[in-house]
Amino acid sequence: AQSVTQLDSQVPVFEEAPVELRCNYSSSVSVYLFWYVQYPNQGLQLLLKYLSGSTLVESINGFEAEFNKSQTSFHLRKPSVHISDTAEYFCAVRTPGGTSYGKLTFGQGTILTVHP
Amino acid sequence: NAGVTQTPKFQVLKTGQSMTLQCAQDMNHNSMYWYRQDPGMGLRLIYYSASEGTTDKGEVPNGYNVSRLNKREFSLRLESAAPSQTSVYFCASSVTGGSKNIQYFGAGTRLSVL
Repeated sequence: AQSVTQLDSQVPVFEEAPVELRCNYSSSVSVYLFWYVQYPNQGLQLLLKYLSGSTLVESINGFEAEFNKSQTSFHLRKPSVHISDTAEYFCAVRTPGGTSYGKLTFGQGTILTVHP
Repeated sequence: NAGVTQTPKFQVLKTGQSMTLQCAQDMNHNSMYWYRQDPGMGLRLIYYSASEGTTDKGEVPNGYNVSRLNKREFSLRLESAAPSQTSVYFCASSVTGGSKNIQYFGAGTRLSVL
């Protein structure tokens, strides 16, 4: 079985400050890792993913995440946040191969609030 | 591009009433999923369908039934709603297998059971 822990339920920051949203996972096999973002009253959108290769992955809007196998972490970072980044962020894990339907296991979510 | 469409967007039920949440996708995906989202608990998988004609239980299936009507549509039914089923429900779809198995989500159905 696999599990995901997001260490902070809420993260308040000021605009233009850096932010890190923490995610740790537990799995006995290799995994794919994802960050999804949910803006108020909307569904989830994929922000970025790690499948293989370079352990540092980036999104088009300035977020990045680094896969650290030894620490079983996949923290999300942004060097300078904007008001529009206010949202809830979910870390998720999936095991590649095996069953074909690729069930995702989600963390509890982190609410990022950016203040002016 | 419609993607994943869920209806209704909002619903209020009384305890014991039944209802069906509808989900349709236009991306020709084989796999479809139903999740519920509760504060502080992330998303939990209720049921999924790996392909047309197959359905399987997820993490929290009790009190729910599903139907994969065809490749496009996957409905979730509450036969006798309970206050514990007050939640936001999300439908998702994806291709099946491989690294391209990325799930795409609908906008959600906000359900209150009184």
